[in-house]
Amino acid sequence: GAGVSQTPSNKVTEKGKYVELRCDPISGHTALYWYRQSLGQGPEFLIYFQGTGAADDSGLPNDRFFAVRPEGSVSTLKIQRTERGDSAVYLCASSLRDRGGANEQFFGPGTRLTVL
Amino acid sequence: AQKITQTQPGMFVQEKEAVTLDCTYDTSDQSYGLFWYKQPSSGEMIFLIYQGSYDEQNATEGRYSLNFQKARKSANLVISASQLGDSAMYFCAMREGPNFGNEKLTFGTGTRLTIIP
Repeated sequence: GAGVSQTPSNKVTEKGKYVELRCDPISGHTALYWYRQSLGQGPEFLIYFQGTGAADDSGLPNDRFFAVRPEGSVSTLKIQRTERGDSAVYLCASSLRDRGGANEQFFGPGTRLTVL
Repeated sequence: AQKITQTQPGMFVQEKEAVTLDCTYDTSDQSYGLFWYKQPSSGEMIFLIYQGSYDEQNATEGRYSLNFQKARKSANLVISASQLGDSAMYFCAMREGPNFGNEKLTFGTGTRLTIIP
């Protein structure tokens, strides 16, 4: 079956611009996560959705970052007034979130954001 | 303190040998989960293996096994009979709290494994 997909794969923007990053989770997965991975680091948690609501947004670095998942499937991460420090790979993951098992997260290929 | 520590930035291993990638963790929760992910140069994170804090047996998945030592708070990944395709970054990650609770993962800084033919 289809995995997690993310668009665009690459995004180059100028400092101060607004960007939107899209994530399509695996069909039927109720949980969706956004992470950010800087060069040479492991992914860092940004936000977690269970259904349509953000269950944990404690990883969002500031109020320039916002994410939505209006119908409980596709999610969009929105970054306002981008800064050069926002440059990173943004990873999306989804999981089935059963009560049993590992509930492992399945990751998409990421969006590489470059802010000039 | 770091929640996940991976002390080996890089490792070189001869093909067909076994390799152990180290991971130590720090949590005060009694219930937690430990994961290993592989990230090839293509960038996608691939789930390898999972160990729950209450699991008494070490997890195994094919050539992957997890050497779980709870008292030492370590969760090392063992890859048997390494293959050229195992060359990648490997990340250890932890979910704190019970399954079906707080779902976010905390990752270590990773180990770059290179398999030498």
